Amino acid sequence: EPEVTQTPSHQVTQMGQEVILRCVPISNHLYFYWYRQILGQKVEFLVSFYNNEISEKSEIFDDQFSVERPDGSNFTLKIRSTKLEDSAMYFCASGGQGRTDTQYFGPGTRLTVL
Amino acid sequence: SQQGEEDPQALSIQEGENATMNCSYKTSINNLQWYRQNSGRGLVHLILIRSNEREKHSGRLRVTLDTSKKSSSLLITASRAADTASYFCASFPQGNMLTFGGGTRLMVKP
Repeated sequence: EPEVTQTPSHQVTQMGQEVILRCVPISNHLYFYWYRQILGQKVEFLVSFYNNEISEKSEIFDDQFSVERPDGSNFTLKIRSTKLEDSAMYFCASGGQGRTDTQYFGPGTRLTVL
Repeated sequence: SQQGEEDPQALSIQEGENATMNCSYKTSINNLQWYRQNSGRGLVHLILIRSNEREKHSGRLRVTLDTSKKSSSLLITASRAADTASYFCASFPQGNMLTFGGGTRLMVKP
């Protein structure tokens, strides 16, 4: 069964450094998403991406964040200058049927900012 | 106020018993989804119920939706130790921002 994959599984970085989190969505899906979950808290929506552009973003997704689909398979989340409070699990998801239908999540990348 | 709040926050039962989790939401929805998350792992989609559906089954899962009360319930029948996880409801209160509740932590004791 196809699944969403994410790399790396764990990323440790120094405050102020740039990080790129990578995702390979399910191949025939058209909608792509990033979420984050700070330890012990809710899963929070960051951004959705469709037709090579951002379709929605939350207040969390400020100028420090960017997303890109550089080729036909990868979907990346870049954090330009990491802060301590960016430490969280970051989940990528993809969906194929429509904006409000089922989303399939990857296993997550645990980002630790020191 | 939050869109999608689960109740209870934590539930502990014996294997074989049924587990019921509830979710309340505030704005109108197209559908409501339930996800499971094992500790430290990703989210697994369990079931989606549309606003024009009242009940849906998938294996040992039964989901109900009451749009008049803006609530949904997830019932897991004949629970197993492997069902131990956090369960979240999620919906789209605006646009396509899937919004999750705080979750119910289910512990199934063998």
